[in-house]
Amino acid sequence: GAGVSQTPSNKVTEKGKYVELRCDPISGHTALYWYRQSLGQGPEFLIYFQGTGAADDSGLPNDRFFAVRPEGSVSTLKIQRTERGDSAVYLCASSRGGVRTGELFFGEGSRLTVL
Amino acid sequence: GENVEQHPSTLSVQEGDSAVIKCTYSDSASNYFPWYKQELGKGPQLIIDIRSNVGEKKDQRIAVTLNKTAKHFSLHITETQPEDSAVYFCAASPTGTASKLTFGTGTRLQVTL
Repeated sequence: GAGVSQTPSNKVTEKGKYVELRCDPISGHTALYWYRQSLGQGPEFLIYFQGTGAADDSGLPNDRFFAVRPEGSVSTLKIQRTERGDSAVYLCASSRGGVRTGELFFGEGSRLTVL
Repeated sequence: GENVEQHPSTLSVQEGDSAVIKCTYSDSASNYFPWYKQELGKGPQLIIDIRSNVGEKKDQRIAVTLNKTAKHFSLHITETQPEDSAVYFCAASPTGTASKLTFGTGTRLQVTL
């Protein structure tokens, strides 16, 4: 498809479990972003990749959260020892990158529910 | 860090009327201000953006104004249509790009017939 693809669209897990969320960016987009959106709130920045490297991971809430983008395309957000407070929609976005990066193209998100 | 406040949280207008959403930001270094529209079950979509070297920008029925001195910016939608109904988010970034956006809490706009 032409847009950002995120899988799974919904994930229900139990407290303490490990979760992986996947993002397929738009082909050719060098920049990739993860945001988290809680109910009734705006997206909250987590991490930004330029190519394979994390250019800014200052939004990751703690060391239970980790993200990779090994080949500069697909990215995986990994959450260890999930907690109920991790429940949210995890949004991935991509952009063309470059000095004056403008529009972010968001996927539809992965809704994570931690019971 | 940056803090973006947005109001109102909900806004109901009649079709054809104008809608205005306002945001304030705290970091004087912020220089890029996009507005995103989010429909139910979808990701946010950019509708317009403005950089700090410009005071106003217009695209058909949508316009954004920026007052750097007061640290606030606004979205104006004229001749509203039912398809404008959605949640709108303002955002700010100090990098001049969309690389690290701080979003407001959103405004749910309802356009009634």
